[in-house]
Formats: sequence, C-alpha cells, structure tokens
Amino acid sequence: QKEVEQDPGPLSVPEGAIVSLNCTYSNSAFQYFMWYRQYSRKGPELLMYTYSSGNKEDGRFTAQVDKSSKYISLFIRDSQPSDSATYLCAMSGGSNYKLTFGKGTLLTVNP
Amino acid sequence: DAGITQSPRHKVTETGTPVTLRCHQTENHRYMYWYRQDPGHGLRLIHYSYGVKDTDKGEVSDGYSVSRSKTEDFLLTLESATSSQTSVYFCAISDPGLIAGEQYFGPGTRLTVT
Repeated sequence: QKEVEQDPGPLSVPEGAIVSLNCTYSNSAFQYFMWYRQYSRKGPELLMYTYSSGNKEDGRFTAQVDKSSKYISLFIRDSQPSDSATYLCAMSGGSNYKLTFGKGTLLTVNP
Repeated sequence: DAGITQSPRHKVTETGTPVTLRCHQTENHRYMYWYRQDPGHGLRLIHYSYGVKDTDKGEVSDGYSVSRSKTEDFLLTLESATSSQTSVYFCAISDPGLIAGEQYFGPGTRLTVT
C-alpha cells in the first residue's frame, strides 16, 4: 500500500459546481497536510495547508483533515474554468521538510 | 515566484549519454529538492539537499546523482541516461522559516531519452 492514495480522476464538472477532491494516507506520523495546484506545463504551487486535524477555509476553497480516519479533502465551491488544473495532495511529518505526494487528480471545469 | 530557474527547459538526448540538469535559486533558501513527475506516478522525490554539500536520497534515486557546492545551485546528473528516465523534472526549495511542507517549485525540465 502506498503511503498516500489519491482518486486519480479525471474529474469533469460544469461551472458553478461544488468539487470534492480526496486523499487517504497510511503514515500516522504525518502532521502537515497540503494541497498543491498545478496548471498544465507549470510547476506545482501551494494552494492550502492544514496542521493536524480540522478545517481551513480560504475563499472558495476548504481543506479538511480527519486524522482518525487518515483522510483529507479539498472542496471547491462555485468552481470556475480557471480552476481547471491537476490537484495534488501532499503530506509531511514536519521534521525534515520532505513531502510525500499523491498522484494528482486532473480537474476540468466546463463553462 | 521564489527566484527559481531550471536549465535547460527542454532536452532530447540519446541512451547512454550523461546529462546534467541545473537548478538555480537567488534567495538563499536552505533546502533544495529534485523531483520527477510521470503519468500515473505523480511527483516522486529523487534527491534533496539540506545545505551546501549535504545531500540525501529520495525514493527514486537509482541512476541519479546530485551535487550542491554553492547555496544557489543544485545539480542533478544522469550518469548514463536510459529511456526510463524520460520525464519532467522539477526542482523545489524550502526553508526552516516556512511551514513544513511549503515548497516552491521551478518551471520544470522536460527530458526525453531516445
């Protein structure tokens, strides 16, 4: 079993839809949970991060972490065509600044 | 933009030839990383550095070596390129002053080994 599993998609939704992206993990040492967004032919960029369990909201984006279930989610409200990208979850134990990434989910938001 | 550049941006090379990719940063960041990204595998860590001359292996280090003789440059070398090393390579940086997991990525190098 890989340390981080991510729904591979691809996911195609109409503009304005609510999008849910998810990852599961197996390593209990992970404390920091991130979502990176990657546009086509670009490097990933940090979108959201959460420390330990809980929710974090930033505009149309909400990140949730449930450490008891080893499950993290990213919700996008009122999705826009500009949200079309690959979303990668990433996790870290914190001590050595190394990240473990999921495989990424390709999202397309159709106008 | 964290001041990260990668060179070359695209390269086509033949099997068996040596290849060196360069990552250059301008803001004195301590940690530097090399990843490869392949369909179906996501981002995988090749090697990383936590200071000048301090490097360590990631999960897919076989066939790759690195060097960091200056803070600003992190070199990735494929000693004898193979077709399985055809990939997109990303450099990233981080710092103790950032949150754990906050990394900034370069624009990538697309390498094709024929």
